[in-house]
Amino acid sequence: EIVLTQSPGTLSLSPGERATLSCRASQSVSSSYLAWYQQKPGQAPRLLIYGASSRATGIPDRFSGSGSGTDFTLTISRLEPEDFAVYYCQQYGSSLWTFGQGTQVEIK
Amino acid sequence: EVQLLESGGGLVQPGGSLRLSCAASGFTFSSYAMTWVRQAPGKGLEWVSAISGSGGSTYYADSVKGRFTISRDNSKNTLFLQMNSLRAEDTAVYYCAKDAGWWSYYMDVWGKGTTVTVFS
Repeated sequence: EIVLTQSPGTLSLSPGERATLSCRASQSVSSSYLAWYQQKPGQAPRLLIYGASSRATGIPDRFSGSGSGTDFTLTISRLEPEDFAVYYCQQYGSSLWTFGQGTQVEIK
Repeated sequence: EVQLLESGGGLVQPGGSLRLSCAASGFTFSSYAMTWVRQAPGKGLEWVSAISGSGGSTYYADSVKGRFTISRDNSKNTLFLQMNSLRAEDTAVYYCAKDAGWWSYYMDVWGKGTTVTVFS
């Protein structure tokens, strides 16, 4: 089973700042099978990025994804108040789906 | 509008059973794989199970294999999760999620979730 480790656990930033979230896999992951989700308190997750770098429908262009192999990154170029939330990476491999433990982006 | 609506959650004792349902609308249900994902209180997301559009292929996390069964009724646009031999660690919000394609391996639409509490 591929384990995804997200860092940092918590990111404290101010609106307007840049956020860089990391997702590291225990084995190589196909970029086609790497996605990112945003979850706000009391809400279901929302798809942000699929295929490591493609934005889902309706996602603002301040969100971008990159990476390959075992290292992937979600970048939020300029944080808006609505972006403070928990972010999860997710991968598929060998008939198993796994999520990272999440990174909380909080207001500093 | 694509919508998913879970139901069937509740309180159950250890060893008991529950059947979750997810009613889908706004898309051709049989053309998409579907997934169950759960979230224990204060914890992260955990993938539980997935099923192909036809229902012919199913997959389970090791933590639920042999206890949970995923199925679907394409004539009624409904996804199910039969949960047997429930344990305290199965306590969670259970989300139904639509795969982005026949098998795209990521979830583009999520329901609001249904809560399962296993208590003694």
